[in-house]
Amino acid sequence: AAGVIQSPRHLIKEKRETATLKCYPIPRHDTVYWYQQGPGQDPQFLISFYEKMQSDKGSIPDRFSAQQFSDYHSELNMSSLELGDSALYFCASSRTSGVTDTQYFGPGTRLTVL
Amino acid sequence: AQTVTQSQPEMSVQEAETVTLSCTYDTSESDYYLFWYKQPPSRQMILVIRQEAYKQQNATENRFSVNFQKAAKSFSLKISDSQLGDAAMYFCAYSYGGATNKLIFGTGTLLAVQP
Repeated sequence: AAGVIQSPRHLIKEKRETATLKCYPIPRHDTVYWYQQGPGQDPQFLISFYEKMQSDKGSIPDRFSAQQFSDYHSELNMSSLELGDSALYFCASSRTSGVTDTQYFGPGTRLTVL
Repeated sequence: AQTVTQSQPEMSVQEAETVTLSCTYDTSESDYYLFWYKQPPSRQMILVIRQEAYKQQNATENRFSVNFQKAAKSFSLKISDSQLGDAAMYFCAYSYGGATNKLIFGTGTLLAVQP
């Protein structure tokens, strides 16, 4: 079965640079979620999109922005990177059919900021 | 605000034995969803099992089962016949559902399986 695809899998950036993370949800899934997992921590919700509209927002810094495109893929844009942004970034997708559906996670993008 | 608590940072079990991981949560909602996710060393987040709060019957998936106590706000995971491949970090997660479907995770329990 098709899974959530994230690219790149690994990314190394310098402080103050910009990074773009991409997420391709499971086919026919209409909702995308982004989570950030710091070293030794549990995943923290950043933002979600349903049918290309932002549906919820968590503890996402103002330096970060995201969107969902017409083909349902999503991109997380991160600017003015800081050392503390080094983390594993997960994308998850679900098919929202009026009730909560299960979120399936991608393999994650490991971002290292030097 | 909803919170999820896992009070066991680490657990250990012998291969083929049974282990139970604990999770408690706090919510004022009556309808919600609970999950257990597994994160092996590869860091992939893998769904283990899901429970709807409106269902009284405990969910079961092969060797994995839950003990859902709604009144006590408790949601424990039982792993039977433990295998070496079960070694991982296990996260308990809560979701309210609807437009606010974000997952709220506990801090995780690191499970070691001894041969």
